[in-house]
Amino acid sequence: DSGVTQTPKHLITATGQRVTLRCSPRSGDLSVYWYQQSLDQGLQFLIQYYNGEERAKGNILERFSAQQFPDLHSELNLSSLELGDSALYFCASSVASGQGGKNIQYFGAGTRLSVL
Amino acid sequence: KNQVEQSPQSLIILEGKNCTLQCNYTVSPFSNLRWYKQDTGRGPVSLTIMTFSENTKSNGRYTATLDADTKQSSLHITASQLSDSASYICVVSGMAGGYNKLIFGAGTRLAVHP
Repeated sequence: DSGVTQTPKHLITATGQRVTLRCSPRSGDLSVYWYQQSLDQGLQFLIQYYNGEERAKGNILERFSAQQFPDLHSELNLSSLELGDSALYFCASSVASGQGGKNIQYFGAGTRLSVL
Repeated sequence: KNQVEQSPQSLIILEGKNCTLQCNYTVSPFSNLRWYKQDTGRGPVSLTIMTFSENTKSNGRYTATLDADTKQSSLHITASQLSDSASYICVVSGMAGGYNKLIFGAGTRLAVHP
């Protein structure tokens, strides 16, 4: 168990809908990262928050947004969903803000999103 | 363009055998290279992290090597076990868009058969 909690585990919805994925980081970790992994594809970095502030942005669509709350949990909002948004969405957390150095990211078990 | 390429794409070996997975990268500037193990449907778990000054790092039966000059890394698995069946992902830390970011390879899918 990595200590990172993601809910829900599975989500089935229809095209055009909006969903919210939730992540609770490990105790003491200030950074939260969101990744998308489509079927048989590599992980794609979406966005990072550190202590409530956006720290880095990757290949995140304009239809997607995220935030980190004062208690450090984070939410990823996906709107106007398309079939191609079906994927595993992972959240990771780390103590520090940098993605370099030896700042280890601990991953949650993921949320599997199916858009029908 | 910063890229991380892994080979082979997939691999089948018999239990007890050794295997080596390859990772080539073009990320620059380079900060560190990580190997992750991802079981099917689970989140990745860190195996090793190496900076440019380190050329080998072990974690049990897993040994990673790094040649920063040729921009190549390998992950050697010794005496494989059924539980080693997973995807192994090479991740390189480099600069992209002004940020220090992790760039993920597509992974090598390893299947260990009895």
